[in-house]
Amino acid sequence: GQQLNQSPQSMFIQEGEDVSMNCTSSSIFNTWLWYKQDPGEGPVLLIALYKAGELTSNGRLTAQFGITRKDSFLNISASIPSDVGIYFCAGTYNNDMRFGAGTRLTVKP
Amino acid sequence: SQTIHQWPATLVQPVGSPLSLECTVEGTSNPNLYWYRQAAGRGLQLLFYSVGIGQISSEVPQNLSASRPQDRQFILSSKKLLLSDSGFYLCAWSAGGFGTEAFFGQGTRLTVV
Repeated sequence: GQQLNQSPQSMFIQEGEDVSMNCTSSSIFNTWLWYKQDPGEGPVLLIALYKAGELTSNGRLTAQFGITRKDSFLNISASIPSDVGIYFCAGTYNNDMRFGAGTRLTVKP
Repeated sequence: SQTIHQWPATLVQPVGSPLSLECTVEGTSNPNLYWYRQAAGRGLQLLFYSVGIGQISSEVPQNLSASRPQDRQFILSSKKLLLSDSGFYLCAWSAGGFGTEAFFGQGTRLTVV
């Protein structure tokens, strides 16, 4: 099946700093999705991208669908303590959906 | 609006016992349904997905099975649990079709002892 490579695995940053994470694949996807998971909870959708080249923002979050349809990035600006969690990228192709391994974000006050 | 319910929230089962986890979706019809497993601190592994009643695709050969007896009901089962079946199980739904986003239940923490 299609595999997603998500990086970095973890990040330790100071409150107020910007964050960037990305996902790449050897295969193309129709949709790129970014989720955040808090401990013991299901992932919550942050941003959905439907078109190659699309750049979408949701508050302090910005994500882009790579022009080759094989990659996507997520940026978080001016991080705050509640940004702590695991961020997952996901790509969908027809009825299939694959996840990256996640980026664990720690924000130090 | 659409909602997804997954239960139980936590489960402790002995090795060799059966398993049944249930997931139901409300507020939509003919959803795509998914079961994922997440090991501690790891990513999500797709176990099964279904595009319709009785249609199940299995991603990983293993000790588990899935069934979809009704349009908005998805069940994950095992006849005999193994220690390695422990993990966080997540059900998700999507509207289906060409690349639509999925929404997750709250998850079931399964510990096999």
